[in-house]
Amino acid sequence: GNSVTQMEGPVTLSEEAFLTINCTYTATGYPSLFWYVQYPGEGLQLLLKATKADDKGSNKGFEATYRKETTSFHLEKGSVQVSDSAVYFCALSDPGPGSNYKLTFGKGTLLTVNP
Amino acid sequence: KAGVTQTPRYLIKTRGQQVTLSCSPISGHRSVSWYQQTPGQGLQFLFEYFSETQRNKGNFPGRFSGRQFSNSRSEMNVSTLELGDSALYLCASSITGAGNQPQHFGDGTRLSIL
Repeated sequence: GNSVTQMEGPVTLSEEAFLTINCTYTATGYPSLFWYVQYPGEGLQLLLKATKADDKGSNKGFEATYRKETTSFHLEKGSVQVSDSAVYFCALSDPGPGSNYKLTFGKGTLLTVNP
Repeated sequence: KAGVTQTPRYLIKTRGQQVTLSCSPISGHRSVSWYQQTPGQGLQFLFEYFSETQRNKGNFPGRFSGRQFSNSRSEMNVSTLELGDSALYLCASSITGAGNQPQHFGDGTRLSIL
């Protein structure tokens, strides 16, 4: 079956530090990949996506590149802000039979950015 | 454009009761999915509906059920509530549910079982 593995948190950084959150996946088909962010007391918000190999998704200074050869989709940001403190989820959507029409999520990574 | 709306935001029930949660998708979105979020299991897929038809279902007992109406609004029902059903229930919508479309999530219903 499909699975997503994210680096264990929590991750604590100082403001303006470089961020990497690792994400690798297993899929039976050719999935689309997503990063979602969840702020306290809220639902998930789409941060970025990539739908085919070598695509780079980017938004609000965050980037992730779809690497089919390493089955990875690592999230990066060059300079984090206190407002980036949240839980980040890597997810995939696989068009294969039985897997379609749903997202498979990683466990989430809690990021805390200190001023 | 209004986002995904879930009601109620908070719910407290006791074991053995049943509960119905509601989700109104973004206008024009016909696919609605439901997820359960708990600290131990993370985000788990419950089911997905499109044009009033369930197209996919996760590994949950039959106590969990759902439906979708002709206006794309969806409800999920949990019968004979157990303590382990305490969770944040998230609804998401997309235009057709195709895998390359992002899902848009509501803020969830937090269900607490006493």
